Amino acid sequence: QSVLTQPPSVSGAPGQRVTISCTGSSSNIGASYDVHWYQQLPGTAPKLLIYATSNRPSGVPDRFSGSKSGTSASLAITGLQAEDEADYYCQSYDSSLSGSIFGGGTKLTVL
Amino acid sequence: EVQLLESGGGLVQPGGSLRLSCAASGFTFSTSAMSWVRQAPGKGLEWVSGIGSGYRAYYGDSVKGRFTVSRDNSKNTLFLQVNSLRAEDTAIYYCAKYSGSAWSTLWFQHWGQGTLVTVSS
Repeated sequence: QSVLTQPPSVSGAPGQRVTISCTGSSSNIGASYDVHWYQQLPGTAPKLLIYATSNRPSGVPDRFSGSKSGTSASLAITGLQAEDEADYYCQSYDSSLSGSIFGGGTKLTVL
Repeated sequence: EVQLLESGGGLVQPGGSLRLSCAASGFTFSTSAMSWVRQAPGKGLEWVSGIGSGYRAYYGDSVKGRFTVSRDNSKNTLFLQVNSLRAEDTAIYYCAKYSGSAWSTLWFQHWGQGTLVTVSS
């Protein structure tokens, strides 16, 4: 069981907006530690999508955005495209574990 | 271009050992914090270990006392010595380069393609 909780799956039609939540606790997200997001396409290594809660690395479309409030964070994807179909993971730091933690992952299906 | 190339995975019996390597290029390895992240078949990501540029090491609870991370800055190579292997250690092991200003803020900027470790009799 992951320290950060994500919905197992979300789906949306092309062009729609979807959000993926990542819920933590007072020892991680709630302690104001940054949240980062990764995209993992089938059969490939994860790729950094959002860092420090809301920043996009170069090359990541602005359709992807991140936010945080309290003990939760969210990844929003607008203008959904077929190539967005992938697994998405949130990551933060946990002070009680003194290390990085991941969410369980969310599978995005583009209908 | 940052490149991370893992090697050393394979089939090993329960209780056995392996030494994983990650050859790095395209950045200043000696000043970079590095990490290992694993992914069991069909499962999510799990942070395994991290090591700072000053050689201080950190481990996830599930591998403490069994795994040891090290680095050879002269060869731009990261290592993970995995001992007392269990079936639940079966996973793809990814090498990743950290970015960020402090240990508690780090994220995994670049990833290798991974090396598969299978623990089975």
